[in-house]
Amino acid sequence: ETGVTQSPTHLIKTRGQQVTLRCSSQSGHNTVSWYQQALGQGPQFIFQYYREEENGRGNFPPRFSGLQFPNYSSELNVNALELDDSALYLCASSLVSSGITDTQYFGPGTRLTVL
Amino acid sequence: QKEVEQNSGPLSVPEGAIASLNCTYSDRGSQSFFWYRQYSGKSPELIMFIYSNGDKEDGRFTAQLNKASQYVSLLIRDSQPSDSATYLCAVAARSNDYKLSFGAGTTVTVRA
Repeated sequence: ETGVTQSPTHLIKTRGQQVTLRCSSQSGHNTVSWYQQALGQGPQFIFQYYREEENGRGNFPPRFSGLQFPNYSSELNVNALELDDSALYLCASSLVSSGITDTQYFGPGTRLTVL
Repeated sequence: QKEVEQNSGPLSVPEGAIASLNCTYSDRGSQSFFWYRQYSGKSPELIMFIYSNGDKEDGRFTAQLNKASQYVSLLIRDSQPSDSATYLCAVAARSNDYKLSFGAGTTVTVRA
């Protein structure tokens, strides 16, 4: 167990809807990164939050957005859901010091299905 | 060219044998290298990380890094059925603020 938690475990939405996924980081960590993992693929970096601000973003459209709270927990919001958004969404917790991201530990993930 | 490439697999090995997994990366400035194990339907679990050229051993696992060849590998000795999983190679580079870039993974099946 990494101490990183995510909710919900599973979610089913329809195309066009909006979804919010949540993540609580491991104790002592100040950074949360979000990844999307499609079936049979490796995780793809969405963005990272550090000190409540976005600290880097992968190749994802603006309808993917996020937040980080003072307790370092984080939310991932996806608007206007598309069928291709169906995936496992992973949150990873880490410690950033001197601008360097330390080892990342993953939560159990949220399985999103878009119908 | 993909940033991180792994053997496509699947890799099938008999119980007790050595499983050898390979990974190449394109960013010569990469500095941190990670191996994660992912069981079906679960999230990735960190097995090892390596930063310096050479070998790093942890129990039955050995990671090998060759920065000149842009190559990192994972050896699993005395493979057990519980090692059956997908193994993900991840790389972090200063140029990408040390965010993780993952390969597609190699699926390993250990035959009893």
